[in-house]
Amino acid sequence: GAGVSQSPSNKVTEKGKDVELRCDPISGHTALYWYRQSLGQGLEFLIYFQGNSAPDKSGLPSDRFSAERTGGSVSTLTIQRTQQEDSAVYLCASSLTSGSGSDEQYFGPGTRLTVT
Amino acid sequence: DQQVKQNSPSLSVQEGRISILNCDYTNSMFDYFLWYKKYPAEGPTFLISISSIKDKNEDGRFTVFLNKSAKHLSLHIVPSQPGDSAVYFCAASAPHTGNQFYFGTGTSLTVIP
Repeated sequence: GAGVSQSPSNKVTEKGKDVELRCDPISGHTALYWYRQSLGQGLEFLIYFQGNSAPDKSGLPSDRFSAERTGGSVSTLTIQRTQQEDSAVYLCASSLTSGSGSDEQYFGPGTRLTVT
Repeated sequence: DQQVKQNSPSLSVQEGRISILNCDYTNSMFDYFLWYKKYPAEGPTFLISISSIKDKNEDGRFTVFLNKSAKHLSLHIVPSQPGDSAVYFCAASAPHTGNQFYFGTGTSLTVIP
């Protein structure tokens, strides 16, 4: 079956512009995560959605970052007024149930964002 | 503050030999640990996990060992195969962290044929 998909795969943008990154989770997965991986760093948690519950936004690095998940499926991560330090690979993952520690996460291929 | 650390950025091993990837953590509340494998241009894929109630979990060629007193876990791959060449991330979670997984910075494994 189809895995997690993300688009675009690559995005180059000028500093100060806004960008939108899209994630299509695996059908039926109720939990959705966004991470980013900057060069030489580990995966950094950004935000978590579980069903219709309020998202856990505790990992968002600034108020320039926001995300939404429409209809409990597709999610969009928006970065406003991009900065060069936002350059990273942004990864989306989904899991089947509660998103607890024992639920395996399935990752998308990521979006490589470059801010020039 | 890096709560999960992988201090070896890279490792090279001959095919057929054992690969040992190490991971250290600082938060004693972590109770679930995972290893992910990542090929270039792909997202990480789940490899193996271990709960803190165990000290070993084995799945085929892959074994994860957990030493809670040392806050250390390791992934053993034996025998190593060229297809195992990838970046390996360890990750941890704790009940109080809710939905957050903390990842290490990864170790790039190269298995030499």
